[in-house]
Amino acid sequence: EAQVTQNPRYLITVTGKKLTVTCSQNMNHEYMSWYRQDPGLGLRQIYYSMNVEVTDKGDVPEGYKVSRKEKRNFPLILESPSPNQTSLYFCASSLNGAGNQPQHFGDGTRLSIL
Amino acid sequence: AQSVTQPDIHITVSEGASLELRCNYSYGATPYLFWYVQSPGQGLQLLLKYFSGDTLVQGIKGFEAEFKRSQSSFNLRKPSVHWSDAAEYFCAVLTDSWGKLQFGAGTQVVVTP
Repeated sequence: EAQVTQNPRYLITVTGKKLTVTCSQNMNHEYMSWYRQDPGLGLRQIYYSMNVEVTDKGDVPEGYKVSRKEKRNFPLILESPSPNQTSLYFCASSLNGAGNQPQHFGDGTRLSIL
Repeated sequence: AQSVTQPDIHITVSEGASLELRCNYSYGATPYLFWYVQSPGQGLQLLLKYFSGDTLVQGIKGFEAEFKRSQSSFNLRKPSVHWSDAAEYFCAVLTDSWGKLQFGAGTQVVVTP
């Protein structure tokens, strides 16, 4: 089954403790991205990747890092999490990021930073 | 800059009644437009998309949307809602920035018996 898998689904942690949210897709997609969802703001893009070793900032990259060492994986790293990063996070992938290629979303990761 | 506005934060509709969700966009060129649905605890599922051609597009779950360039709108409709349609709905436009989707704030739909 074609899917985007995120882990963990839920995480409660404390300020400053480094964490990584993993994202993996099994569709051989080149394009992957991370969004955060906040009430009243919809989803905002954090980072995206056009292919292996190619990443770039989205609209709200501050406080986040990503890496793309393999095509299927695109982890989101919070080196020193802060409470304002408490949010619902979604990973998405598409064939190549082009407009006619729909994006597939994971089920989300809810992070609470205390 | 591109933007997407969903004027209705929350809509309550009776089961069996019709539903229309509004979406207005701001974008210079012909946009790629999408509607996604998010059920509780789930990711986003694509309902339908518009790229070009026929301005009335059909999607999954009995939804349709109409692109109106003159009004910069892409409203989503369903003739008869089911209790399972209770969810949050997002309109999105694909910007010219490498696959980035610009989302509206979402509309929460509640379906009453």
